[in-house]
Amino acid sequence: EVQLVESGGGLVKPGGSLRLSCAASGFTFSSYSMNWVRQAPGKGLEWVSSISSGSSYIYYADSVKGRFTISRDNAKNSLYLQMNSLRAEDTAVYYCASQPSSPNWFDPWGQGTLVTVSS
Amino acid sequence: EIVMTQSPATLSVSPGERATLSCRASQSVSSNLAWYQQKPGQAPRLLIYGASTRASGIPARFSGSGSGTEFTLAISSLQSEDFAVYYCQQYNNWPPYTFGQGTKLEIK
Repeated sequence: EVQLVESGGGLVKPGGSLRLSCAASGFTFSSYSMNWVRQAPGKGLEWVSSISSGSSYIYYADSVKGRFTISRDNAKNSLYLQMNSLRAEDTAVYYCASQPSSPNWFDPWGQGTLVTVSS
Repeated sequence: EIVMTQSPATLSVSPGERATLSCRASQSVSSNLAWYQQKPGQAPRLLIYGASTRASGIPARFSGSGSGTEFTLAISSLQSEDFAVYYCQQYNNWPPYTFGQGTKLEIK
């Protein structure tokens, strides 16, 4: 069964940092591009960042550029998102999602991890 | 950045009836459009990609159509489990990938 499981979310103060992880199983992780997509409470979906299968190509939304860093470890079947200088507007459920290649649709998605930025 | 606009924001339909949801792109995205279903407390689920191809395991009552800037998701004979929020997403011009704001399909 293809599965993506996020972890690392929690409550953090403005200006703080957090590192999210996404553990993949049931598919050849190293062959897929991976993404982070977030959803603020009661709001729609916002793409955050993308990394190619071999980490050669990395992209960010303007809203997080310079503050967030996406990375992956294919040996550990894991995706990461290092989030620094967090703001209240970064509060959201963060989903990891795979792509068969880029550009493409997202499938499957993890269950998400909630990040709350508040003092 | 391509802006995706979905209409209506909320659609009220009775079980067993047909629902038609719309998605418009601010410029052509060819057929590079996907549809997702999201239920409360759950992650989005891929329904349609390539504007009209159903994803694996998606019932035949879901169908997608359109190309360029105008797209439609149709759900024939609505079942209770179909009431959810639906999002469209373009992957023609990126970054960024962009989503519509969603259409909430509710029971009438």
